[in-house]
Amino acid sequence: DAGVTQSPTHLIKTRGQQVTLRCSPISGHKSVSWYQQVLGQGPQFIFQYYEKEERGRGNFPDRFSARQFPNYSSELNVNALLLGDSALYLCASSFRSDQNEQFFGPGTRLTVL
Amino acid sequence: KQEVTQIPAALSVPEGENLVLNCSFTDSAIYNLQWFRQDPGKGLTSLLLIQSSQREQTSGRLNASLDKSSGRSTLYIAASQPGDSATYLCAVRNAGNNRKLIWGLGTSLAVNP
Repeated sequence: DAGVTQSPTHLIKTRGQQVTLRCSPISGHKSVSWYQQVLGQGPQFIFQYYEKEERGRGNFPDRFSARQFPNYSSELNVNALLLGDSALYLCASSFRSDQNEQFFGPGTRLTVL
Repeated sequence: KQEVTQIPAALSVPEGENLVLNCSFTDSAIYNLQWFRQDPGKGLTSLLLIQSSQREQTSGRLNASLDKSSGRSTLYIAASQPGDSATYLCAVRNAGNNRKLIWGLGTSLAVNP
């Protein structure tokens, strides 16, 4: 079975642009969470979606938004990019809404110039 | 507020050594604790998940223990190999309704041939 997949793997944008990152969970998993990991830091929670509903939101500005589709895949959108948005964006899926055990994708490396 | 600390921040050992990585957390009301491995620039691989009611979990050369009362977990790696070189992250999931993961900063391990 395929694990969590994310696209693209790398992305370079300039300040002020908008970006969309995509994630496909493990087959059968209904919960998707998004994390931001800045170099040298632990991941920071951005969003959790379960059954297409937002179940949790971290301390991120409104420039960050996400959604989950009927097939449980998810998109993370970031508007008006800042240099500080440069990071590895990780997607994790789990079967249950309580995220008992999460499985992570390879991440999308976003560089904002 | 839950805080997770990992010591040491970096560790360099010769191949074959047994080693212990430490994780401490400030609030003992946890749902579970998970150890992850992260290779440079890559996503996270789940190594071991310990539920709050458990004391330890084992997988191959890895053993993780949990002592909730003292707020500590250790990851024991037996007979270390150069392929074990990576960053090891500890993450705690709080009990209660807000079950987001709280992450440590990781221990960067180098196993030298």
